[in-house]
Amino acid sequence: GEDVEQSLFLSVREGDSSVINCTYTDSSSTYLYWYKQEPGAGLQLLTYIFSNMDMKQDQRLTVLLNKKDKHLSLRIADTQTGDSAIYFCAESPGTGANNLFFGTGTRLTVIP
Amino acid sequence: DVKVTQSSRYLVKRTGEKVFLECVQDMDHENMFWYRQDPGLGLRLIYFSYDVKMKEKGDIPEGYSVSREKKERFSLILESASTNQTSMYLCASSPPLSNQPQHFGDGTRLSIL
Repeated sequence: GEDVEQSLFLSVREGDSSVINCTYTDSSSTYLYWYKQEPGAGLQLLTYIFSNMDMKQDQRLTVLLNKKDKHLSLRIADTQTGDSAIYFCAESPGTGANNLFFGTGTRLTVIP
Repeated sequence: DVKVTQSSRYLVKRTGEKVFLECVQDMDHENMFWYRQDPGLGLRLIYFSYDVKMKEKGDIPEGYSVSREKKERFSLILESASTNQTSMYLCASSPPLSNQPQHFGDGTRLSIL
């Protein structure tokens, strides 16, 4: 099946930028998603990017997609303590099924 | 806003019990999903459903079954709970079009003693 990989942990200082990386194997992926999970909660959709785009910006969030290298990143500008959470990358395959394949999640810790 | 509601946030059951986890969505979505989340493993798909009375196995269906009698409700059933089914269970729903994002409930943390 599809393989989506992320590093497990990231720590940044408050006010710095955070960059969370993700690699995937399915070259036919059509949409790629970033979800945020706060402690004790479900997953909240943050943003997504269509595979024919290479960048998407939404306020403090910037998504970069390198389709050739199958690499996706999420940059959070001016990181705040409220950004501390687990961030999941997910990809939607090119087939008709609406399944998503998730990475392991990256736990972001923001140090005051 | 889409609302996906899981009936319990925390649940403690004993080995061998039959366990029901309930999920309800209010957006008339055709697709519904059950995942389990374990540290270091991310989310793994157990079962999903494209429509009422339809179900498909995901990546890890063993030891689980599901029921979709009504469009808004998708139930996950542990026929005979075992300790290795202790986990966080997440339900999600999405519209029928492919590549639509999934919307998640808050999860049920299930402990099997």
